[in-house]
Amino acid sequence: DAGVTQSPTHLIKTRGQQVTLRCSPKSGHDTVSWYQQALGQGPQFIFQYYEEEERQRGNFPDRFSGHQFPNYSSELNVNALLLGDSALYLCASSLGQGASGNEKLFFGSGTQLSVL
Amino acid sequence: QQQVKQSPQSLIVQKGGISIINCAYENTAFDYFPWYQQFPGKGPALLIAIRPDVSEKKEGRFTISFNKSAKQFSLHIMDSQPGDSATYFCAASDDRGSTLGRLYFGRGTQLTVWP
Repeated sequence: DAGVTQSPTHLIKTRGQQVTLRCSPKSGHDTVSWYQQALGQGPQFIFQYYEEEERQRGNFPDRFSGHQFPNYSSELNVNALLLGDSALYLCASSLGQGASGNEKLFFGSGTQLSVL
Repeated sequence: QQQVKQSPQSLIVQKGGISIINCAYENTAFDYFPWYQQFPGKGPALLIAIRPDVSEKKEGRFTISFNKSAKQFSLHIMDSQPGDSATYFCAASDDRGSTLGRLYFGRGTQLTVWP
C-alpha cells in the first residue's frame, strides 16, 4: 500500500517563476493538507482540501493556491516565487473530516524547493 | 505568534538514558496533541498522541505526559537508542466538530543519542 507520494522530490527555480507541486494521497484518504517547512523550523499549515474545495487556509499570501482532483490527488501552485519560498513542501493526507481525522494523518517525504 | 512553544532546541543523550522534550501552548481550544518524528529527507511520522481527557499515555518506550492546567505536555523517551536520533516535533490541533483541524507545530528538537 503506497503512502503519500509527492513529486518532484527536488526542484530549483528562479525568482519570479511559477511552480506546481503534486501529491497523491494514501489509498483510501480523501483529505489533503499542504505544509511548508523552512530549514530548522516546524511545518507551517498552508491549506487543506476536501471534496475538491479549499476548507481551511493558513497565513499564506494568494500567491499560494491549490487544487484537488476527483481522484483526491492535489496540486500546490506558487506564483511569483520569492527567495523566502525556499523550503520543504509537505503534503499530508487523511480520511474525511471530524475528530479522528488527525489521528490518521500521514505525511509524504516532501518536495524540496530552492529559489535562486 | 508561535502557537506551540517547544524546548530544548537540541538534546544530546547517552544510549540508555531518558530523553525529555517539553511543549507549551496557550489556546485552550486545542484538544489533540501529537508528537512527530522526522528523519533527514523524510516527512514527519506520527509517534504518539494524546487527548486532554488523560494525563499520560505510554506506547513502548515513548510516553506523553499532559498537564491541562499548566497547558504543557512532554515527550519522554526511555532507554534512548542511537536509532532514536532524529528531529522531534510537538503539535496541537483543534479538531472538534466537522472540520479536520490544522496542526500547529513547535520548532522542533534535534535529538542525538550517543552509543
